Amino acid sequence: GQNIDQPTEMTATEGAIVQINCTYQTSGFNGLFWYQQHAGEAPTFLSYNVLDGLEEKGRFSSFLSRSKGYSYLLLKELQMKDSASYLCAVRDGNNRLAFGKGNQVVVIP
Amino acid sequence: ETGVTQTPRHLVMGMTNKKSLKCEQHLGHNAMYWYKQSAKKPLELMFVYSLEERVENNSVPSRFSPECPNSSHLFLHLHTLQPEDSALYLCASSQGLVETEAFFGQGTRLTVV
Repeated sequence: GQNIDQPTEMTATEGAIVQINCTYQTSGFNGLFWYQQHAGEAPTFLSYNVLDGLEEKGRFSSFLSRSKGYSYLLLKELQMKDSASYLCAVRDGNNRLAFGKGNQVVVIP
Repeated sequence: ETGVTQTPRHLVMGMTNKKSLKCEQHLGHNAMYWYKQSAKKPLELMFVYSLEERVENNSVPSRFSPECPNSSHLFLHLHTLQPEDSALYLCASSQGLVETEAFFGQGTRLTVV
């Protein structure tokens, strides 16, 4: 079966940097996704990693290590609007997408 | 605007009622999905449709019945639900089954009383 593990909540100050970790155990691997979900809204796609290394997109970066079954999402120059739940999802060898529980990030002034 | 629209946004229904959730995507995608999101639990994949054919049913109880009349529309028919079925039901679509990005609707918040 699939196991996607994320910490549940973290608080950070506006302007700071926060790192959200995700570890996974799946049968095969066809990519890892990060989604952002504001309360009461649809999850929106942030990033996709299929090869080891760092993918950078503006203030957000995502890192993947397939050998360690590990990824992190790095949020820089935090803004109040970044307060949201961040979902890690892994596509396994059968192309099934399994989500973690999400990490709630609260940004304070 | 995500290109995936779900109605209604909120629904309260009794355990003996029959209701339907609707999802419409305007993105020209070929795959559509139903997910269930409960508090403190991961998103759970319920059903997958590709080119209007159901390709996955993740052991979902028969009180949930999906329907995909065409590649743009997806329904979830509900009958004799239980209080534990109360959750946010999310629809998503993607170009194909192995695409890098799925687009989600805003969900229907369902409460079963």
